[in-house]
Amino acid sequence: NAGVTQTPKFQVLKTGQSMTLQCAQDMNHNSMYWYRQDPGMGLRLIYYSASEGTTDKGEVPNGYNVSRLNKREFSLRLESAAPSQTSVYFCASSSLTTGGRETQYFGPGTRLLVL
Amino acid sequence: DAKTTQPPSMDCAEGRAANLPCNHSTISGNEYVYWYRQIHSQGPQYIIHGLKNNETNEMASLIITEDRKSSTLILPHATLRDTAVYYCIVRAPSGTYKYIFGTGTRLKVLA
Repeated sequence: NAGVTQTPKFQVLKTGQSMTLQCAQDMNHNSMYWYRQDPGMGLRLIYYSASEGTTDKGEVPNGYNVSRLNKREFSLRLESAAPSQTSVYFCASSSLTTGGRETQYFGPGTRLLVL
Repeated sequence: DAKTTQPPSMDCAEGRAANLPCNHSTISGNEYVYWYRQIHSQGPQYIIHGLKNNETNEMASLIITEDRKSSTLILPHATLRDTAVYYCIVRAPSGTYKYIFGTGTRLKVLA
């Protein structure tokens, strides 16, 4: 049971390049999320997927696209990377229990530097 | 989802209890209080959550005031490994799936 996995761990891009960050979970969770964390800041939600086949914008969606490929996988794409997108990206997953608890489980993060 | 206010930093001596406060004065009746922590630059880790009653698990205790406008996370015997950023979040079960993390409290446990 690996939990939430992310690839790659590190990436350096030049301005204008594109890339896709991959995320997978093996906990059979319905919901998945992408966050970014800038130095000294809290996490900000980029996009989320409440269930397979649905995606919605979070707080900071500009410059990103997402795909919920299936229940396990949720990818984040940067079409034309900008230095402002230098950050640590975290993927998370969760399910809502009948008791109202929704605990998010996070991956280890992808550290992205855009030059 | 309600906003939370936490002190930016706190120190605690190793072996002593660490009490981390959180203000959530605009919390709604169906919103839960969640606590997460983030060690170094790892992904945040769930600690505990509660609605009205005080809660305890193997990691911590959560004390919620009667009016639910504030709460305190208690680490009963802090260790150096508890040095982390602690986030207090309030969220309704049927909310818009958005966790608002804020900037949290940076707890430093001192030897």
